[in-house]
Amino acid sequence: AIRMTQSPSSFSASTGDRVTITCRASQGISSYLAWYQQKPGKAPKLLIYAASTLQSGVPSRFSGSGSGTDFTLTISCLQSEDFATYYCQQYYSYPPLTFGGGTKVEIK
Amino acid sequence: EVQLVESGGGLVQPGGSLRLSCAASGFTVSSNYMSWVRQAPGKGLEWVSVIYSGGSTYYADSVKGRFTISRDNSKNTLYLQMNSLRAEDTAVYYCARVGRQLGYFDYWGQGTLVTVSS
Repeated sequence: AIRMTQSPSSFSASTGDRVTITCRASQGISSYLAWYQQKPGKAPKLLIYAASTLQSGVPSRFSGSGSGTDFTLTISCLQSEDFATYYCQQYYSYPPLTFGGGTKVEIK
Repeated sequence: EVQLVESGGGLVQPGGSLRLSCAASGFTVSSNYMSWVRQAPGKGLEWVSVIYSGGSTYYADSVKGRFTISRDNSKNTLYLQMNSLRAEDTAVYYCARVGRQLGYFDYWGQGTLVTVSS
């Protein structure tokens, strides 16, 4: 199975900050990577697929980049509603589909 | 509008069984790949199972031989039959639609909690 590793596991940031979350795959996955946002008690929400394609309705302050094994999710100007946990997921080779361990973005 | 509504969760003893349902609206379940994803309390997301539009099914090693994914086309509903439940199966179970049959999840249900405890 392809292992997905996110870093950091959590960090604090302020509204207006530019933040970057990293996801690394244990082997090359081309651009078959998705990012999700999850708020407490809610289902995950798709933000980005194909490493950099923004899902319909997702604000443009979210962006994704990378290919192969290294990927990033960037929030250009953090808003209050962006404090949440973010997960990456590979779909290059499955089963199994695999997720990263998550990155929790907290308010500083 | 696409909607997924899970039901069937609850408290069950170790070794017991439970069937989860996921009623879909706004699209046809049988024309899509559909999946179950779970999240143990305070933990990350774990893929459980997928059913392809053609009917093929796949499972995570942790549930293989114990869980069965299926669908009822007439009811536009996805199911997860869970047998021989263990404490480590305790989680919120989400059904999710696989986007464009590629492998990412574009729509999720609200989740249903399964607690395995004596």
